[in-house]
Amino acid sequence: ETGVTQTPRHLVMGMTNKKSLKCEQHLGHNAMYWYKQSAKKPLELMFVYNFKEQTENNSVPSRFSPECPNSSHLFLHLHTLQPEDSALYLCASSQEGGGATGELFFGEGSRLTVL
Amino acid sequence: GQSLEQPSEVTAVEGAIVQINCTYQTSGFYGLSWYQQHDGGAPTFLSYNALDGLEETGRFSSFLSRSDSYGYLLLQELQMKDSASYFCAVGSSNTGKLIFGQGTTLQVKP
Repeated sequence: ETGVTQTPRHLVMGMTNKKSLKCEQHLGHNAMYWYKQSAKKPLELMFVYNFKEQTENNSVPSRFSPECPNSSHLFLHLHTLQPEDSALYLCASSQEGGGATGELFFGEGSRLTVL
Repeated sequence: GQSLEQPSEVTAVEGAIVQINCTYQTSGFYGLSWYQQHDGGAPTFLSYNALDGLEETGRFSSFLSRSDSYGYLLLQELQMKDSASYFCAVGSSNTGKLIFGQGTTLQVKP
């Protein structure tokens, strides 16, 4: 496999469930990101990891919990979500800081629906 | 703070030329990027301008004016497959973040 792979592609969960989104990159990049994409809104940066260390938490509610066990894998653990959290969650990676190079490689996203 | 503005929708016909503008405000500036996203797909990188001027890549060109905090994406010889959303994004040298605009939905008609 190449590029950035996200699973699952679609997820429906109740507000009391606990689930996780997974992201894997096969590009040898050092930085990984979670973005949230809601309809009619800009992509919102949620978390940034550089060399497995979290360098950014963009005021994200604690019901979203990221985990980066190594430079190739990134998880987003979800618990007690709200219906307004329904969105497309995009994972991305870059060789170095995305702000400096402007180039991120995105996965196809996990479409989350919270009932 | 940081913000970007781009038109929400643009419509053009096949074979035409279309320009999507982006104005930005940022604290510190690395460069301006453009991304394309088809329905249900991943955003894909199109271009990056760090310096003023025009960068051309095939049918797509991107322009930047740092003094005007303005850039645009130019799509020539439009094809139906160019129907997608196009996002501008600014890299901030202060925060290291890449911040995205709201996106412009381009509809190409026959």
